[in-house]
Amino acid sequence: RKEVEQDPGPFNVPEGATVAFNCTYSNSASQSFFWYRQDCRKEPKLLMSVYSSGNEDGRFTAQLNRASQYISLLIRDSKLSDSATYLCVVNRQGGSEKLVFGKGTKLTVNP
Amino acid sequence: DTEVTQTPKHLVMGMTNKKSLKCEQHMGHRAMYWYKQKAKKPPELMFVYSYEKLSINESVPSRFSPECPNSSLLNLHLHALQPEDSALYLCASSQVPAGGPGQYFGPGTRLTVT
Repeated sequence: RKEVEQDPGPFNVPEGATVAFNCTYSNSASQSFFWYRQDCRKEPKLLMSVYSSGNEDGRFTAQLNRASQYISLLIRDSKLSDSATYLCVVNRQGGSEKLVFGKGTKLTVNP
Repeated sequence: DTEVTQTPKHLVMGMTNKKSLKCEQHMGHRAMYWYKQKAKKPPELMFVYSYEKLSINESVPSRFSPECPNSSLLNLHLHALQPEDSALYLCASSQVPAGGPGQYFGPGTRLTVT
């Protein structure tokens, strides 16, 4: 089983759609979870950290289920500018600086 | 200010050249990282410096040599590279320990080895 697995995508959605990305991780000792976005030929940018209580930032909502080792990202009212690759990222074990990246899911929002 | 800067943006080098990549951050972060990213792949960790000391080397070939002169600077010295080393090299920084706010990436150096 891979350390971090994501929906393979790609996702093509119209503007205004709601889209959800899922991710699972294999190391139960992991304690930190993130979603990054990466535009073509750019660096990954931290979108949001993910907490057990769930967290929301505007149109973006992230959820963590530790029992199922499952992370999700929901984007509401998607914009053209949301088109990017979304990377699910998990630290390898508690307190470690080693981040493990999923392969990413490419999202294209169409006009 | 969550900015990590990297120079140069692009680098073309021959297999016998010696070059260096530079990274700088002024966020007071005490952990700094080098990643390698090939096209359509996620970043792969190469090295981690924590409090200016090398804490993780992910079995990287010795033709890559990292250096951390101070808490704000990180270098990657390159020597006798192979064409397959061509990639985007990303620097990142974070608080220590690295949980919580996550890692912040620089724009990267796009390296081509000829």
